[in-house]
Amino acid sequence: KQEVTQIPAALSVPEGENLVLNCSFTDSAIYNLQWFRQDPGKGLTSLLLIQSSQREQTSGRLNASLDKSSGRSTLYIAASQPGDSATYLCAVGNRGGSEKLVFGKGTKLTVNP
Amino acid sequence: EAGVAQSPRYKIIEKRQSVAFWCNPISGHATLYWYQQILGQGPKLLIQFQNNGVVDDSQLPKDRFSAERLKGVDSTLKIQPAKLEDSAVYLCASSLIRLAAPYNEQFFGPGTRLTVL
Repeated sequence: KQEVTQIPAALSVPEGENLVLNCSFTDSAIYNLQWFRQDPGKGLTSLLLIQSSQREQTSGRLNASLDKSSGRSTLYIAASQPGDSATYLCAVGNRGGSEKLVFGKGTKLTVNP
Repeated sequence: EAGVAQSPRYKIIEKRQSVAFWCNPISGHATLYWYQQILGQGPKLLIQFQNNGVVDDSQLPKDRFSAERLKGVDSTLKIQPAKLEDSAVYLCASSLIRLAAPYNEQFFGPGTRLTVL
């Protein structure tokens, strides 16, 4: 059974700092990994999608890496801004059967001005 | 392009009552998912449809939850009777058909926040 863990559960940083969010998963037989952002009371916004054959994806100030063999992914946020404050969720899609996503509990990020 | 639409956005009911949620996926997306997100947790899949057929409902509490996707477009999720532990946000997501889009990126709606008193 796939389990996804995100560390830390909460993170508070000053504006302008570079930061890394961590995600680990127990079953390396995945076909993709998605990072999402969730604002309070809102749905999920997809940030980056990494295929199992890829090592990283970049979008603006965001960079996500994937190491399938070790069961880890990181989300790097450069030059953080107060508008980046949100909960960041990592989710993996397993091979075989349905393409359901298994989510971690998320990391709540606060960027202080 | 319009996103995934859900209604209502909020619902408050008493335990043992029934409730229904509606989802309209992105146009052309054959796969539709319902997730349950309890406060402080990540979303958990309840049911997945491919067109109007069920692909995975292994985590759906079938004694009280039901879902349908008539005509392979809109979907309705129902809870009857509701329990206190059903208080959560119910998220609907959609993705392109599996064979045509191997990446299967999922797009989520704003969710329905259910409070059971």
